[in-house]
Amino acid sequence: EVQLVESGGGLVQPGGSLRLSCEVSGFTLSDHYMDWVRQAPGKGLEWVGRTRNKANRYTTEYAASVKGRFTVSRDESKNSLFLQMSSLQTEDTAVYYCASSSRASWRDFDYWGQGTLVTVSS
Amino acid sequence: DIQLTQSPSFLSASVGDRVTITCRASQGVNSFLAWYQQKPGKAPKLLIYTTSTLQSGVPSRFSGSGSGTEFTLTITSLQPEDFATYYCQHLYGYPLTFGGGTKVEIK
Repeated sequence: EVQLVESGGGLVQPGGSLRLSCEVSGFTLSDHYMDWVRQAPGKGLEWVGRTRNKANRYTTEYAASVKGRFTVSRDESKNSLFLQMSSLQTEDTAVYYCASSSRASWRDFDYWGQGTLVTVSS
Repeated sequence: DIQLTQSPSFLSASVGDRVTITCRASQGVNSFLAWYQQKPGKAPKLLIYTTSTLQSGVPSRFSGSGSGTEFTLTITSLQPEDFATYYCQHLYGYPLTFGGGTKVEIK
């Protein structure tokens, strides 16, 4: 059974940093593109960033709203995906989900974690 | 960036109704359009991918169609468990974006 479990959320002050983790099981992490998606309270879904798979050299893409502040990475030995967030702003307050696809086309997200809440507030 | 506009943003319907949600893209997305269902406090669930392919385990009352810039999600005979918010997403180039969502509520 495939599972994605996020952790690391919490309360952080504006300008601060936080690292989220997503531990995966049931598939080989290096084979998969992995994404982060967030949802501000009461709002819609926003794609945050992506790391491609090993075959595509783990290259990354980001939404403009987080580029230069957020970094997606992974540690295959820990079966984990990470989202390093810095220079956090109140508008980064959201539930953060990790997501992936079972299909090599990487054109959908059928695997999702349960989400972890990040609150940016003084 | 490709913008996705969903309509309506809210709809009120009854059990048994046929429901259609539209997603318009600001430019062509080939067939790389997915639909998700989200219930409060839960992660989104994939319903449809590449415009019209039904995800395994999703009831056949859900269907997707469209091409280019206009896509639809149809639910025939709405069931109580279908009351939720629905999002479209394009996966054609970066950034990947989602539509604003359509909340389906009980009339």
